[in-house]
Amino acid sequence: IVLTQSPGTLSISPGERATLSCRASQSVSSSYLAWYQQRPGQAPRLLIYGASSRATGIPDRFSGSGSGTDFTLIISRLEPEDFAMYYCHQYSSSPFTFGPGTKVDI
Amino acid sequence: QVQLQESGPGLVKPSQTLSLTCTVSGGSISSGYYWTWIRQLPGKGLEWIGYTYHNGYPHYNPALKTRVAISVDTSGNQFSLKLTSVTAADTAVYHCARAPVCSSDCYPFDNWGQGTLVTVSS
Repeated sequence: IVLTQSPGTLSISPGERATLSCRASQSVSSSYLAWYQQRPGQAPRLLIYGASSRATGIPDRFSGSGSGTDFTLIISRLEPEDFAMYYCHQYSSSPFTFGPGTKVDI
Repeated sequence: QVQLQESGPGLVKPSQTLSLTCTVSGGSISSGYYWTWIRQLPGKGLEWIGYTYHNGYPHYNPALKTRVAISVDTSGNQFSLKLTSVTAADTAVYHCARAPVCSSDCYPFDNWGQGTLVTVSS
């Protein structure tokens, strides 16, 4: 399953709302779609799993939605620490794949 | 708090074998997880390499299957990656990670190592 993310870069200001998109080349069964945040020099951090469930300790300004082939991550009010790369990832079928990422930039 | 830490050579010559180890601390490798290797190619995205369960049964990305082996050392609480016949295209940051074993539901990789850069060059 090939994942495509848009936009490639999102230039936005703190306090604004960010909407990130992930599209799959075929249906992601059981909504096994996750979102990760990666800051420079750090490991990816799980934000969302099952398309819409927040991982442990993730603030509620992060929300995920979608099913089938179209998924969305929304960051409701950007904090300075949210400026990072975001990857979607499908774990419904092997080989497990990741999207190319969206960079959220100031 | 379970932590994963990669170790191994940062430089490998072309055609040789890349070998990395991931040490699991704060928890047992014999618990219910898929122990996984993922790499991040320079300027590109993330690529899943494969995983194994603590008692074996590895599963690999078909794109790498002929060159990769993942094994577990339960006594050392660690697991390893071997990638043979490397080329410059294998230069990447290599992460180890874990994902809970599927039961009634499946979950993604929830804990990652920091990653280690491996450069393939003569």
